[in-house]
Amino acid sequence: ETGVTQTPRHLVMGMTNKKSLKCEQHLGHNAMYWYKQSAKKPLELMFVYSLEERVENNSVPSRFSPECPNSSHLFLHLHTLQPEDSALYLCASSLGLAGADTQYFGPGTRLTVL
Amino acid sequence: AQSVTQLGSHVSVSEGALVLLRCNYSSSVPPYLFWYVQYPNQGLQLLLKYTTGATLVKGINGFEAEFKKSETSFHLTKPSAHMSDAAEYFCAVAMEYGNKLVFGAGTILRVKS
Repeated sequence: ETGVTQTPRHLVMGMTNKKSLKCEQHLGHNAMYWYKQSAKKPLELMFVYSLEERVENNSVPSRFSPECPNSSHLFLHLHTLQPEDSALYLCASSLGLAGADTQYFGPGTRLTVL
Repeated sequence: AQSVTQLGSHVSVSEGALVLLRCNYSSSVPPYLFWYVQYPNQGLQLLLKYTTGATLVKGINGFEAEFKKSETSFHLTKPSAHMSDAAEYFCAVAMEYGNKLVFGAGTILRVKS
């Protein structure tokens, strides 16, 4: 595997379920990100991790819980979601947090909340 | 706060025609500028980026963009559109540190045969 991978690619869950999204980067990067992409809205940054420490939580509801056990893996734990949380969730990684550092994106997880 | 405006949510061009996708940003300090492309059911792929130096930046697939500080613009162009260019294009900016990318709303490019 190369680049940034995400699993699962598609997920359907009920509002009472608990599920997790997984992201893995094979680029040797130190920073990882979660974004939410909803229809007709700009991409929204959710969380930023640098060297496994969370450095940004962009006013995300507590029903989304990120976890970064090491610099290669990032999880997004989901519980008691709402239908408006249905979206494409994108993971990205970059070498560091410098503004010039390119973010490389995974293919995303298409989440549908029933 | 930073903002990015992409003029035109949909742009339609004929195959072989010039592609011009517009991007303006709000910043008093020159930021770092990016163009990403997203094909259906895929993530974002970097087309090109401007950090410092030459203001005309060349990217993949024949695309290029010019940073114009006086106009706070970073428009994306390609001399001749190909059917495979049909996708959604996002302009984004980032400041010196923190790497918080702020994205525009995106422009869907349609290429007609």
